[in-house]
Amino acid sequence: EPEVTQTPSHQVTQMGQEVILRCVPISNHLYFYWYRQILGQKVEFLVSFYNNEISEKSEIFDDQFSVERPDGSNFTLKIRSTKLEDSAMYFCASSVKSPLYAETQYFGPGTRLLVL
Amino acid sequence: SQQGEEDPQALSIQEGENATMNCSYKTSINNLQWYRQNSGRGLVHLILIRSNEREKHSGRLRVTLDTSKKSSSLLITASRAADTASYFCAIVVSGGYNKLIFGAGTRLAVHP
Repeated sequence: EPEVTQTPSHQVTQMGQEVILRCVPISNHLYFYWYRQILGQKVEFLVSFYNNEISEKSEIFDDQFSVERPDGSNFTLKIRSTKLEDSAMYFCASSVKSPLYAETQYFGPGTRLLVL
Repeated sequence: SQQGEEDPQALSIQEGENATMNCSYKTSINNLQWYRQNSGRGLVHLILIRSNEREKHSGRLRVTLDTSKKSSSLLITASRAADTASYFCAIVVSGGYNKLIFGAGTRLAVHP
């Protein structure tokens, strides 16, 4: 069964460094998302992406964050200058259509980011 | 916040018993989805219920939705130790929001 994959599974970085988290969504999906989950807290929406542009973003997704679909298969989240509070599990998800069409979002296994 | 709390926050039962988890929300929804998360791992989709549906079944799972009370429940029947996980509900708000809004989750422990 097709699944969303994410790399790396774990990333440790120093505060102020740039990180790029990578995701390969399911191949026929058109909508892509990033969520994060700080340890012990809720899963929070960061950004949705469709047709090569951001369709929605949360207030967490400030100028330090960016997303890109550099080719036909990868979807990346870049954090330009990491802060301690960026430490979290980051989940990529994808869906065929918008969730407004009652579409399931399929989640990847996550990347655990630790900022020291 | 558009999402309420899940209830209970933690639930501990014996194998074979049923587990019921509740989810409340505060706004009109397009649909509601339940996900499962094993400790520190990814989110696994369990079931989706549309706003015009009242009940759905999938194997040992039964989900109900009461839009008048803005609440949903997830029932796991004949629980197994392997059902031990955190369970989250997530809503899609009606009116053009292209995202899932998650609740805080219920931690379920099923003891052999």
